[in-house]
Amino acid sequence: KAGVTQTPRYLIKTRGQQVTLSCSPISGHRSVSWYQQTPGQGLQFLFEYFSETQRNKGNFPGRFSGRQFSNSRSEMNVSTLELGDSALYLCASRPGGSNEKLFFGSGTQLSVL
Amino acid sequence: SQKIEQNSEALNIQEGKTATLTCNYTNYSPAYLQWYRQDPGRGPVFLLLIRENEKEKRKERLKVTFDTTLKQSLFHITASQPADSATYLCALDFHSNAGNMLTFGGGTRLMVKP
Repeated sequence: KAGVTQTPRYLIKTRGQQVTLSCSPISGHRSVSWYQQTPGQGLQFLFEYFSETQRNKGNFPGRFSGRQFSNSRSEMNVSTLELGDSALYLCASRPGGSNEKLFFGSGTQLSVL
Repeated sequence: SQKIEQNSEALNIQEGKTATLTCNYTNYSPAYLQWYRQDPGRGPVFLLLIRENEKEKRKERLKVTFDTTLKQSLFHITASQPADSATYLCALDFHSNAGNMLTFGGGTRLMVKP
């Protein structure tokens, strides 16, 4: 079974631009969560999608948004990029239950210049 | 506010010794706690899950304890090897008005020297 796939692996953008990151979960997994990881803040929860609906949301500004498609693939979008958005963005999937372990992708390393 | 604390300083130990990592939490009443391993440039990998009614869980050289009175979990690696060098993260389920989310501690970097 293929693991969680995130694309692209690396991305360089400039301030003010917007970016879209993609995540393909493990086949059969209906839940996709997104996390931001920085050296100073660690892993911060962004949001979780389940069956195309946002199920949970972390404490991030509205510039961060996401969606999930009927095949469970998910995208997250960051608009009006700021320097502080530079981070490793991790996607994780699980079958569905909220007490299940997460399967993480390798992440997208975003650099904002 | 809720807080999960792991020792931010790296833990350096000699090969063959037992590594013990700590996860403390405040203002949580988690139903379960998870431990993950993360290598540089990679996503975290799940290791163990322990529930609130379980005191201890083992998997090969790994052992996790969960003390809900002390609000603490200990993660042990016995007979440590250089290949165990990584960052170890604990995570707890957090319930809020926005739903449930798995919240991570800052992680502890373990260095096992040959």
